[in-house]
Amino acid sequence: DIQMTQSPSSLSASVGDRVTITCRASQTISSYLNWYQQKPGKAPNLLMFAASTLQSGVPSRFSGSGSGTDFTLTISNLQPEDFATYYCQQSYSTPLTFGGGTKVEI
Amino acid sequence: QVTLKESGPVLVNPTETLTLTCTVSGFSFSNARMAVSWIRQPPGKALEWLAHIFSNDEKSYRTSLKSRLTISQDTSKSQVVLTMTNMDPVDTATYYCARISRDGYNHLKFDPWGQGTLVTVSS
Repeated sequence: DIQMTQSPSSLSASVGDRVTITCRASQTISSYLNWYQQKPGKAPNLLMFAASTLQSGVPSRFSGSGSGTDFTLTISNLQPEDFATYYCQQSYSTPLTFGGGTKVEI
Repeated sequence: QVTLKESGPVLVNPTETLTLTCTVSGFSFSNARMAVSWIRQPPGKALEWLAHIFSNDEKSYRTSLKSRLTISQDTSKSQVVLTMTNMDPVDTATYYCARISRDGYNHLKFDPWGQGTLVTVSS
């Protein structure tokens, strides 16, 4: 199984900050990497797929990059509604696997 | 509009079998690029993919739970059913179903998700 490791597990930030979350795969996954946002008590929501393609309706302050084993999700100009937990997920091969999550807190 | 809704018991006794149903609307089960997946999340923990099924009956399961899981579909009812045998308190989690879409490069993505259903395993 491909292991996905996110860092940090949590971070504190302020409105207006630029935040970067990293995700590392235990083996190469090309660009088969998705990012999700989850708010407390809610289902996850797709932000980004194929490592850097923004899902329709997601604000452009979210961006993704990377290929192979190392990926990043960047939130520029952090907004109050962005405080949430973020998960990466690989779709290179089954079993599909998620990272452990990164909680973005005030 | 694509919607998914999970249904099933909220409380299960240890050793019993859990049966969850995902009722889908807004997309066709016959679309070869679409599938339905089950994902769970123990309280305060990360997401865990469990299984998915495509319209051609292609199925995949989480390695560690493969012997306990069965996924099936009833296209006439637009439903996907997940059964998990021999439930244990560690299986307490919110269980989500989600649509998987697959593009021409075989990128799979979960979108949208159902609201989830909390299943507690306890005697």
